[in-house]
Amino acid sequence: NAGVTQTPKFQVLKTGQSMTLQCAQDMNHEYMSWYRQDPGMGLRLIHYSVGAGITDQGEVPNGYNVSRSTTEDFPLRLLSAAPSQTSVYFCASSPGQGQRSYEQYFGPGTRLTVT
Amino acid sequence: AQSVTQLDSQVPVFEEAPVELRCNYSSSVSVYLFWYVQYPNQGLQLLLKYLSGSTLVESINGFEAEFNKSQTSFHLRKPSVHISDTAEYFCAVSDLSRGSNYKLTFGKGTLLTVNP
Repeated sequence: NAGVTQTPKFQVLKTGQSMTLQCAQDMNHEYMSWYRQDPGMGLRLIHYSVGAGITDQGEVPNGYNVSRSTTEDFPLRLLSAAPSQTSVYFCASSPGQGQRSYEQYFGPGTRLTVT
Repeated sequence: AQSVTQLDSQVPVFEEAPVELRCNYSSSVSVYLFWYVQYPNQGLQLLLKYLSGSTLVESINGFEAEFNKSQTSFHLRKPSVHISDTAEYFCAVSDLSRGSNYKLTFGKGTLLTVNP
């Protein structure tokens, strides 16, 4: 298993540009989430999904869109990038049931800079 | 709403010394508690978790944490640290009442630096 994969690893955008951060998992996990990590702030939940076709907002959803058309993929879209979105973005997945249902598996992250 | 406070943003220690990373949480309902570790330029890895049962939980690399309900704490300890333990450590909680096992609230992290 590759686990949780994220692409790209690094990205530089100009203010106003759009892009999609990709996240995929091959563990057949129901739950997927996006977090952003900023220095001194820990990780904050952006959006999450409890299954294909179902998404909801987390703590800091403004400026981001998500969709979940398949169990495997959970892309995060920035429609009009702003410098405040400069951050490291982590995707995570969780089984949703069973003994390990409360464990989240994190991808390696995408480092985004908006100039 | 729940929150997590990690009392120290940075903890420098010498190799083979003991260490304690402190974590307090607030929640009006029962929670699950986690410690995650992030090595430089990597994602987060689960270090250990408290779900129920024994209040003392251990990891495979010598860390342990104790759930103290009365003090709403979940401090992480290791009796003797190695250089390779240098990393950032995050405490996190998951709210049980809504079955929200997929939604974690993180503390701001503690950077553990182990010096030779």
